[in-house]
Amino acid sequence: GAGVSQTPSNKVTEKGKYVELRCDPISGHTALYWYRQSLGQGPEFLIYFQGTGAADDSGLPNDRFFAVRPEGSVSTLKIQRTERGDSAVYLCASSLGYRVEAFFGQGTRLTVV
Amino acid sequence: QQQVKQSPQSLIVQKGGIPIINCAYENTAFDYFPWYQQFPGKGPALLIAIRPDVSEKKEGRFTISFNKSAKQFSLHIMDSQPGDSATYFCAAKGETSGSRLTFGEGTQLTVNP
Repeated sequence: GAGVSQTPSNKVTEKGKYVELRCDPISGHTALYWYRQSLGQGPEFLIYFQGTGAADDSGLPNDRFFAVRPEGSVSTLKIQRTERGDSAVYLCASSLGYRVEAFFGQGTRLTVV
Repeated sequence: QQQVKQSPQSLIVQKGGIPIINCAYENTAFDYFPWYQQFPGKGPALLIAIRPDVSEKKEGRFTISFNKSAKQFSLHIMDSQPGDSATYFCAAKGETSGSRLTFGEGTQLTVNP
């Protein structure tokens, strides 16, 4: 079966614009995670969904960031009023459950100019 | 707060050598320690993982050594190959950290032919 799919793979946007990043998890995986990876750094946790609900959103840096997973499958990470400091690779991962291994997508490289 | 410290930042070995990457953690509640391999433009891929009830785990050419009392763990790559050239991340997760993986800063490994 297919792995975690993220679209777009690259996104360039102007400062102040709104962007949406999409994640399609592995079929049947109930847990979904978003991470952000800055250049030369390890991924940093943003938010975790179990099913449709955000079980842990404590990693979201501020209220410009929001994520949804309305049907418990596809998730969208939304960033309002983008800033240059938001430039990073946004990674999505999914897993069968909370205590099992997570599989990562290839990421969306966001560049804010 | 950096809870998982990884070293070295970069490492160069000759083919057949045994690179060793080290990680130290602070949170004694961590109970799952995976290693991820990441190639440029790709998401992290799980290599091998260990739980603190064992001191060593081996899968193919990859071995994790775990020292619970020192709160340290390391990755050894036996008979390294040029194809192993990638960035390696250690990570940790535990009940009190919720669902999130806390990653180290990464080690860029180069295996010369």
